[in-house]
Amino acid sequence: SQKIEQNSEALNIQEGKTATLTCNYTNYSPAYLQWYRQDPGRGPVFLLLIRENEKEKRKERLKVTFDTTLKQSLFHITASQPADSATYLCALLIYNQGGKLIFGQGTELSVKP
Amino acid sequence: GAVVSQHPSRVICKSGTSVKIECRSLDFQATTMFWYRQFPKQSLMLMATSNEGSKATYEQGVEKDKFLINHASLTLSTLTVTSAHPEDSSFYICSARDYGGAGGTYNEQFFGPGTRLTVL
Repeated sequence: SQKIEQNSEALNIQEGKTATLTCNYTNYSPAYLQWYRQDPGRGPVFLLLIRENEKEKRKERLKVTFDTTLKQSLFHITASQPADSATYLCALLIYNQGGKLIFGQGTELSVKP
Repeated sequence: GAVVSQHPSRVICKSGTSVKIECRSLDFQATTMFWYRQFPKQSLMLMATSNEGSKATYEQGVEKDKFLINHASLTLSTLTVTSAHPEDSSFYICSARDYGGAGGTYNEQFFGPGTRLTVL
């Protein structure tokens, strides 16, 4: 079965630094990999999607890379701010199963002022 | 942007009762809706996929008779937890996706704010 893992449960960094989160997957070559932000007691909010044939995607201070050889995606937040503190989830979109999403367990990011 | 609402946001019920949770897409037609469950400090686990006008597809290990899903219109899906027990206490989240169009592409899923269910 598909397995998706995020490398750490929690990450603490200083304001202004770059946060880097890792997502690894096994057993499947996905069509898309997505990153979401989730605040406590709220539903996930979509951030970025990257396709198999894309190496990198950017959106403002966010950057996602995708290495299908390593089966890994990296999610970067540059010039981090305390408001970036949240749980970040990566998810595989399983193309041949109706486009359903399988989520990693999330990484809780805390940005200290 | 696309908005998905859930009602209620919180519900507390007694063991043995049934609880209905509504998921609505407010500004688009959702051909597919998904229901997830999330326990504290854990990720979202997909429970079932529902397509408008057809029966839901449940993930392995999810009891279809306990978690009844109805997707009667393009803007509304409901999840009914029947004969709820304390172990059903969780955060239930729905998502909605509109039609992908020609070529079989899948559009973004939009998530609701979640419903916190507590069964006493």
